[in-house]
Amino acid sequence: AQSVTQLDSQVPVFEEAPVELRCNYSSSVSVYLFWYVQYPNQGLQLLLKYLSGSTLVKGINGFEAEFNKSQTSFHLRKPSVHISDTAEYFCAVSDKDDYKLSFGAGTTVTVRA
Amino acid sequence: EAGVAQSPRYKIIEKRQSVAFWCNPISGHATLYWYQQILGQGPKLLIQFQNNGVVDDSQLPKDRFSAERLKGVDSTLKIQPAKLEDSAVYLCASSSHQDRGSYEQYFGPGTRLTVT
Repeated sequence: AQSVTQLDSQVPVFEEAPVELRCNYSSSVSVYLFWYVQYPNQGLQLLLKYLSGSTLVKGINGFEAEFNKSQTSFHLRKPSVHISDTAEYFCAVSDKDDYKLSFGAGTTVTVRA
Repeated sequence: EAGVAQSPRYKIIEKRQSVAFWCNPISGHATLYWYQQILGQGPKLLIQFQNNGVVDDSQLPKDRFSAERLKGVDSTLKIQPAKLEDSAVYLCASSSHQDRGSYEQYFGPGTRLTVT
């Protein structure tokens, strides 16, 4: 099973400021990478995914992430956050051809006016 | 397209009681997953079904947890008897891996279980 580390458990940020959420994984094989968002009392929603190709992936709501194979990282960024981005964000990894996801512990983003 | 449905949304029981959760996946999705999400942690896979067969239940505590998907559609997850450490959100997800460009799992809203 994959091991996923989200380096920040909580990230407070002011509205319209940029945010970066860090994710590292441990794997010696090729992987697929995902970021999910969880709003209060809701299920997880996919923000973006990396399967192959360009290492810079764009997702919904203005988020993007960059896959760095040498550093085994998949950091999530947004140049300008809104109050509505307040949520918990999960990084997840699966081996290719293995559909099972391993999740990080999550990063809570709190956006303040 | 309707999403993944789960019920109940909340459940409070006493330890040693039994409880059951229900999940209805997105229509046509062959693969169904149950996850346990303990407060402050990421979801952990409990069991994966492909149609009505179990693909992976290695993380399911089989002495107290059971799950079934008899007709390859709806699924139920049962805990009997419950322990305090079973307090968590139980998430159901489904996917259609026939569409190999997707690899996306669609999650339901979850059932929040509190064991007292």
